[in-house]
Amino acid sequence: KAGVTQTPRYLIKTRGQQVTLSCSPISGHRSVSWYQQTPGQGLQFLFEYFSETQRNKGNFPGRFSGRQFSNSRSEMNVSTLELGDSALYLCASSLGAGVNNEQFFGPGTRLTVL
Amino acid sequence: GNSVTQMEGPVTLSEEAFLTINCTYTATGYPSLFWYVQYPGEGLQLLLKATKADDKGSNKGFEATYRKETTSFHLEKGSVQVSDSAVYFCALPRGTAGNMLTFGGGTRLMVKP
Repeated sequence: KAGVTQTPRYLIKTRGQQVTLSCSPISGHRSVSWYQQTPGQGLQFLFEYFSETQRNKGNFPGRFSGRQFSNSRSEMNVSTLELGDSALYLCASSLGAGVNNEQFFGPGTRLTVL
Repeated sequence: GNSVTQMEGPVTLSEEAFLTINCTYTATGYPSLFWYVQYPGEGLQLLLKATKADDKGSNKGFEATYRKETTSFHLEKGSVQVSDSAVYFCALPRGTAGNMLTFGGGTRLMVKP
């Protein structure tokens, strides 16, 4: 069974640009969550989707947005990039909607903002 | 919401040494607890989990026991190997609904031959 895949693996952008990251969950998984990982702030929750609906959102500005498609694939978008958005963006999928479900993580997308 | 605190690293050990990484949590109710591991250049992998008080999660020689009375979930391994060098994260659900985790700050483990 294929794991969680994220594309692209690496991105370099300049300030002010926008970026879209993609995540394909494990087949059959309907929940997708996104996290930002930085050396200073650690792992921070961005948002969570289940069956195309955003169920929860972390404390990030409106420049960060996302969506989930009917096949459970998810995208996140960051507009007007800032230097501080440089991070590893991790996507995780879960089978069900419950709070104690195991999450399976992808390899991440490394975003560098110059 | 729930929160977790884990010991800061880096932790440097010699091969075959005993490992303990401390993790304590604050939570509403009794959520599942998790340890994740991140190898260089990779995403997170679930190492082990425990779903209720006094449960012991174990995998690859690592163990952690869900201690309700001390709100702790310390990670242990009796004999570490160089291949265990990685960053370890303690985690629990962020709240009482939804697939969201809150993580500790991570502990980098370096094992020397």
